[in-house]
Amino acid sequence: NAGVTQTPKFRILKIGQSMTLQCAQDMNHNYMYWYRQDPGMGLKLIYYSVGAGITDKGEVPNGYNVSRSTTEDFPLRLELAAPSQTSVYFCASSYKGRPFSGANVLTFGAGSRLTVL
Amino acid sequence: AQTVTQSQPEMSVQEAETVTLSCTYDTSESDYYLFWYKQPPSRQMILVIRQEAYKQQNATENRFSVNFQKAAKSFSLKISDSQLGDAAMYFCAYRSDLNAGGTSYGKLTFGQGTILTVHP
Repeated sequence: NAGVTQTPKFRILKIGQSMTLQCAQDMNHNYMYWYRQDPGMGLKLIYYSVGAGITDKGEVPNGYNVSRSTTEDFPLRLELAAPSQTSVYFCASSYKGRPFSGANVLTFGAGSRLTVL
Repeated sequence: AQTVTQSQPEMSVQEAETVTLSCTYDTSESDYYLFWYKQPPSRQMILVIRQEAYKQQNATENRFSVNFQKAAKSFSLKISDSQLGDAAMYFCAYRSDLNAGGTSYGKLTFGQGTILTVHP
């Protein structure tokens, strides 16, 4: 049981390049989230998904796109990378269980550190 | 929208002593969860403790305990017998109950974090 797997762990991009951060979970979770964490700060929500085919914007969606074609995968696409997107990106997932169950705990991936130069 | 505030950017404690990290939050919901996450230099997000809002009893996990004051919207973390391995950034986080409806879709709202230093 791998949990939430993010790739790559590290990446350096040049301004204007594009890339996709991959996120996969093997727990059959229906809820998935992408967060970014800037240095010394808390995590801010970029996008989230409540199931395959359903995505929506979080607090800081500009410059990013997502898709959710399967329950397992939730890739985050960066188009035209900018230095402001230098950050650590976290993917997380959970399932909607019975009221007040442990299902309400998010499982986090290990993070992907992106630097845009 | 919910907000979470951690007013202590940095805290320090001597090894084996006790330290309390503060967190306040703002919400109009009655059903929700509160969490403390630990983030060591590895950047991994590690769940420390969880509190369900409907429970009056404060959660405890070994050396970690919380003081949950629902009316005051306060959720502090107490670390007893501090160890060098406790040094990390600590985040307080809020999550709506998914089964209560609404449009938050279970997203976590994080505070700004508190850096904890443990001195030997």
